[in-house]
Amino acid sequence: EVQLEESGGGLVQPGESLRLSCAGPGFTFSNYWMHWVRQSPGKGLVWVSQIRPDGSTTTSAESLKGRFAISRDNTKNTLYLQMSSLRPDDTAVYYCATGDVLFGLTFWGQGTLVTVAS
Amino acid sequence: QSALTQPPSVSGSPGQSVTISCTGTSSDFGHDNSVSWYQQSPGTAPKLVIYEVRIRPSGVPDRFSGSKSANTASLTISGLQAEDEADYYCCSYTARDTYVFGTGTWVTV
Repeated sequence: EVQLEESGGGLVQPGESLRLSCAGPGFTFSNYWMHWVRQSPGKGLVWVSQIRPDGSTTTSAESLKGRFAISRDNTKNTLYLQMSSLRPDDTAVYYCATGDVLFGLTFWGQGTLVTVAS
Repeated sequence: QSALTQPPSVSGSPGQSVTISCTGTSSDFGHDNSVSWYQQSPGTAPKLVIYEVRIRPSGVPDRFSGSKSANTASLTISGLQAEDEADYYCCSYTARDTYVFGTGTWVTV
């Protein structure tokens, strides 16, 4: 069974940066497309970004381009989300997930909460 | 990128059926069969219940079914059970090679 474990969330001030991690032990991490999805308190799911299994291609939601960057280290079975110039409306639970165009977002982590406030 | 449009809530009695619609533009549904649905109970991570418009992952009851016509996808839950009470989100892979989720629908049983 695929298991995903997010970490790195917490309280940050507006304008600061934060890097989230998602560890994928116990499965062939390098075979999977990976995604970040976020959910603000009481709101719906918002897709953030995806990365190819080999890390060569990334795609992000237009509204987040330039501030958020997805990356991965297949030698460490770990996915990252580097977030910069954080704003209060970036406050959300951030989930990582495996998935692709055909099979959907199949496996999800439990999420990590990022709170942006002064 | 605007979210796909879903009704905020639907309800049904145990044993009844409910259908949730998911409407977008032609570019939102840029890849014909790339529609998926997710169930999310409060405080938990989403769970995939339908992919490729109508396919159920292993372990998902056959009470869940999906369909799509033009720019509207639908999820039907037949024989409603108390455990089906949750938020449901559609998701599509767009013509811009991005994903877009629906606004979400709360199902009350």
